[in-house]
Amino acid sequence: GQSLEQPSEVTAVEGAIVQINCTYQTSGFYGLSWYQQHDGGAPTFLSYNALDGLEETGRFSSFLSRSDSYGYLLLQELQMKDSASYFCAVTFSGGYQKVTFGTGTKLQVIP
Amino acid sequence: KAGVTQTPRYLIKTRGQQVTLSCSPISGHRSVSWYQQTPGQGLQFLFEYFSETQRNKGNFPGRFSGRQFSNSRSEMNVSTLELGDSALYLCASTLGTGNYGYTFGSGTRLTVV
Repeated sequence: GQSLEQPSEVTAVEGAIVQINCTYQTSGFYGLSWYQQHDGGAPTFLSYNALDGLEETGRFSSFLSRSDSYGYLLLQELQMKDSASYFCAVTFSGGYQKVTFGTGTKLQVIP
Repeated sequence: KAGVTQTPRYLIKTRGQQVTLSCSPISGHRSVSWYQQTPGQGLQFLFEYFSETQRNKGNFPGRFSGRQFSNSRSEMNVSTLELGDSALYLCASTLGTGNYGYTFGSGTRLTVV
């Protein structure tokens, strides 16, 4: 089966940098995605990494190491509005491609 | 363009009843996936439909079923509701296969009493 591990909660100070880690176990790995979900809202897509390395999109960056089955989401210049849950998700083969989500990391940004 | 639309937003049902939830994907998106979200459990995959065919199915009992219509709109049905079915049900659409960026709807909050 597939499994993903990410911290359940992280607290960081406004203006700082925070890294949310995700380790996974799966066969037929295709890629790792990240989603943001504010309380009461829908998950929104942030990034997708299929190859090793760092992808940057504004204040958010996502990293993948396929050999280590590990990735992280890096949030820079934290803002209060970044307080949300962040989910990593793996895409893997299983006949048709499938997706499994982690249980999410609740990020609290404090002043 | 319009996003993913899920109806209804909120629903209260009694144990033993059945319920049907609806999802209209983004225009042009042919893949629709359904997820159940409960506190502490993350998003649990229910099923995925593409061009009216169920391509993937999660580990949920047969009480959970779905279908997709020719216009890509999808419905999911839960029969013989149990208290544990109380959850946020999310629908997500993509152009095709894989996870290159789901667009999620706002979900249907189902409460079973």
